[in-house]
Amino acid sequence: LAKTTQPISMDSYEGQEVNITCSHNNIATNDYITWYQQFPSQGPRFIIQGYKTKVTNEVASLFIPADRKSSTLSLPRVSLSDTAVYYCLVGDLSDTGRRALTFGSGTRLQVQP
Amino acid sequence: NAGVTQTPKFQVLKTGQSMTLQCAQDMNHEYMSWYRQDPGMGLRLIHYSVGAGITDQGEVPNGYNVSRSTTEDFPLRLLSAAPSQTSVYFCASSPGHEQYFGPGTRLTVT
Repeated sequence: LAKTTQPISMDSYEGQEVNITCSHNNIATNDYITWYQQFPSQGPRFIIQGYKTKVTNEVASLFIPADRKSSTLSLPRVSLSDTAVYYCLVGDLSDTGRRALTFGSGTRLQVQP
Repeated sequence: NAGVTQTPKFQVLKTGQSMTLQCAQDMNHEYMSWYRQDPGMGLRLIHYSVGAGITDQGEVPNGYNVSRSTTEDFPLRLLSAAPSQTSVYFCASSPGHEQYFGPGTRLTVT
């Protein structure tokens, strides 16, 4: 399984763009990169997923370089409600490969007013 | 759709007791999984299932059993509770690319 490394914590201010980078040096060919958000006392919530290049949805963008050994979650114009822990997961999501998807320690984002 | 539901929300056990944490989903997802999350830590995978009748171990399976007799239900059994199993337990289901998590069960073993 591809191991992931993220910063333990980050601080930002409301209205700023936040970029959280995840390293996954031993990512396999079939692995996808998925990011989750978790608020205290709640289960994680899916944010975004990608395989290569750039993916954008209504809440975030995901940048993946050509070698796929890292990825960056970008949150535009954060607000206080974005204060949470963000997890990067790497794993094979094919029908035959959807096995032990594991979470790393996550990045604790604190947004200040 | 209720999504993923877990019962109970809270449970206190004495060392050596057994119990079953219930998890159900109404989205017809084949993949289901159980995680535990200790204070200030990330989630660790206990067991998972890729369909009815098929289960496999995650990274921390010791002390836990699972079964998957139906697509909807994936109960987690603690055979003989130990204080080290004090944690928050999350169940999740997935149609493929994203996992939907339940609200969690907070378990304390004294």
